[in-house]
Amino acid sequence: AQTVTQSQPEMSVQEAETVTLSCTYDTSESNYYLFWYKQPPSRQMILVIRQEAYKQQNATENRFSVNFQKAAKSFSLKISDSQLGDTAMYFCAFMKGGSQGNLIFGKGTKLSVKP
Amino acid sequence: DAGVIQSPRHEVTEMGQEVTLRCKPISGHDYLFWYRQTMMRGLELLIYFNNNVPIDDSGMPEDRFSAKMPNASFSTLKIQPSEPRDSAVYFCASSEQPGRQGAFFGQGTRLTVV
Repeated sequence: AQTVTQSQPEMSVQEAETVTLSCTYDTSESNYYLFWYKQPPSRQMILVIRQEAYKQQNATENRFSVNFQKAAKSFSLKISDSQLGDTAMYFCAFMKGGSQGNLIFGKGTKLSVKP
Repeated sequence: DAGVIQSPRHEVTEMGQEVTLRCKPISGHDYLFWYRQTMMRGLELLIYFNNNVPIDDSGMPEDRFSAKMPNASFSTLKIQPSEPRDSAVYFCASSEQPGRQGAFFGQGTRLTVV
């Protein structure tokens, strides 16, 4: 079975600074996908970024980037130039490749951006 | 597209009552997922459908829970009878290509069973 671990229950960062959220996972699969989701106080789950396991290049979406270390089974999220609107819960998620479509989530990291 | 639409947004019911949660996926999405979010257990998959067919219901807690997808644009999650431990936020999500897109989530239904 696959597991996803987020070891930082809470983090805080000053506005405009950079913060990195950690995520590790355990799987015996070779084909899979990894995701970061954001859940602001509105409760909406929003996809932030995704990574395909067979791609060595780290994914980037504007201020969000990942550090994907496949051998270490690590998938951290870096948020640059943090903004007040980044305050949210952040969830790391794993999905098996092939026809499997379900996401396995970590317990989340609560990020607070302080002015 | 309006996104995944769930109703109701909030539901308060008494223990023992039947509860029905509803979901309209994004048009054209062949995959539909039901997740439950609690403080203790986090986000967990209850069941998912592909082309209206249930593929994996191993996350459904017990026989009190049932889910249906009678057509491509509608799904229900029913709890009968409801219990206080069912109190949670229930999310519906859909996707056309889960690996490529992840899943698009609805706003969730906050269920409180008293």
